[in-house]
Amino acid sequence: DIVMTQSPDSLAVSLGERATISCKSSHSVLYNSNNKNYLAWYQQKPGQPPKLLIYWASTRESGVPDRFSGSGSGTDFTLTISSLQAEDVAVYYCQQYYTTPSYTFGQGTKLEIK
Amino acid sequence: QAQLVESGGGVVQPGTSLRLSCAASGFSFTTYYIHWLRQAPGKGLEWVADISNDGRAQHYADSVRGRFSISRDNSKNTLDLQMSSLRVEDTAVYYCARGPASGAFDIWGQGAVVTVSA
Repeated sequence: DIVMTQSPDSLAVSLGERATISCKSSHSVLYNSNNKNYLAWYQQKPGQPPKLLIYWASTRESGVPDRFSGSGSGTDFTLTISSLQAEDVAVYYCQQYYTTPSYTFGQGTKLEIK
Repeated sequence: QAQLVESGGGVVQPGTSLRLSCAASGFSFTTYYIHWLRQAPGKGLEWVADISNDGRAQHYADSVRGRFSISRDNSKNTLDLQMSSLRVEDTAVYYCARGPASGAFDIWGQGAVVTVSA
């Protein structure tokens, strides 16, 4: 299985500041035939199911605020929140869907307000 | 709007069985693979199983293969997860989620709590 490793495990950022979460995969998730990275980001607030934020590494899901952006390719990816809002406090997960059906997630990054 | 609703969770003893259900609405059920994922208390997300849109193909995580069985009824827009030989480590919130054959999970249910305890 592809192992997904996120850093940091937790992060405290001031309101209005930038938050950056890293995700590294043990194997490239770039599919050369279509040049797509099979990588998604999810947000999970306490007591709620995960919510899809980003897919194909950088495509925002409909309705997701544009302060959320995804970047990276191959094995190294980043989720950036450009200006942290109070409602962004959550745990964030990356997930690869390159090796289906062996989908794997990162361990999660807990984002808090400083 | 597209929605998934799980039911059937509960508290059971190790070695017993439990059946979870997932009801879909607001989208073309037969167009999508549907997945089960789980989240143990205070832990991360684990993919458990999926079933193709026509129900002909099923896949399982190593941790549940041979014990869990996924099925769907496209005439009723429902999905089931039959869990047997349950273990303490199967304790988790179980989510059903919508996804293409190779893609991200874009719709999730609210989850069903399964507790396996003696």
